[in-house]
Amino acid sequence: AQKVTQAQTEISVVEKEDVTLDCVYETRDTTYYLFWYKQPPSGELVFLIRRNSFDEQNEISGRYSWNFQKSTSSFNFTITASQVVDSAVYFCALSDDKIIFGKGTRLHILP
Amino acid sequence: NAGVTQTPKFRVLKTGQSMTLLCAQDMNHEYMYWYRQDPGMGLRLIHYSVGEGTTAKGEVPDGYNVSRLKKQNFLLGLESAAPSQTSVYFCASSYYRTNEKLFFGSGTQLSVL
Repeated sequence: AQKVTQAQTEISVVEKEDVTLDCVYETRDTTYYLFWYKQPPSGELVFLIRRNSFDEQNEISGRYSWNFQKSTSSFNFTITASQVVDSAVYFCALSDDKIIFGKGTRLHILP
Repeated sequence: NAGVTQTPKFRVLKTGQSMTLLCAQDMNHEYMYWYRQDPGMGLRLIHYSVGEGTTAKGEVPDGYNVSRLKKQNFLLGLESAAPSQTSVYFCASSYYRTNEKLFFGSGTQLSVL
């Protein structure tokens, strides 16, 4: 069965600290895709990244980086030098025949 | 660029009433989805469609029906609303396959009293 687990319900860090959001997934498929989405306080859902199951290269985009490890079924997201604008709910999602989301991690960046 | 448009944005229903949420996309996307978002539960897939005239059940389909008579529209119906259906509903679409990123509407806040 398809499952996405975001064990961290809520995290608070002080601005400029680094923070990692964890995502663990389960799927029987060998071909699948993983995503991260951001939901700021305004409520819209914003796509951040997509990664396929064949590409285990880590990715860095500015202050954001993603670590995909197939061996541990994890796709973790790190924000370096966090900023108040990073405060949001972050969702990890898994796609094989349909797209399933985790419960989200609410991130508070304190000034 | 309209993208994905949901109507209405807010609605209050009484228990037992019916209503339809409309999702419209102007990107010629094949796949469309309805999710509900509840505190602490994340986004849960209600129903989805892989093309005009098709629908399929997601994680939490009970109490909802959907129709995709036109490619650009995906309707979500509540035949007899219950307080447990109080939620924020999001529609989303993707171009062709589920491995593509989703484009989301702005959401519908539904309260069932």
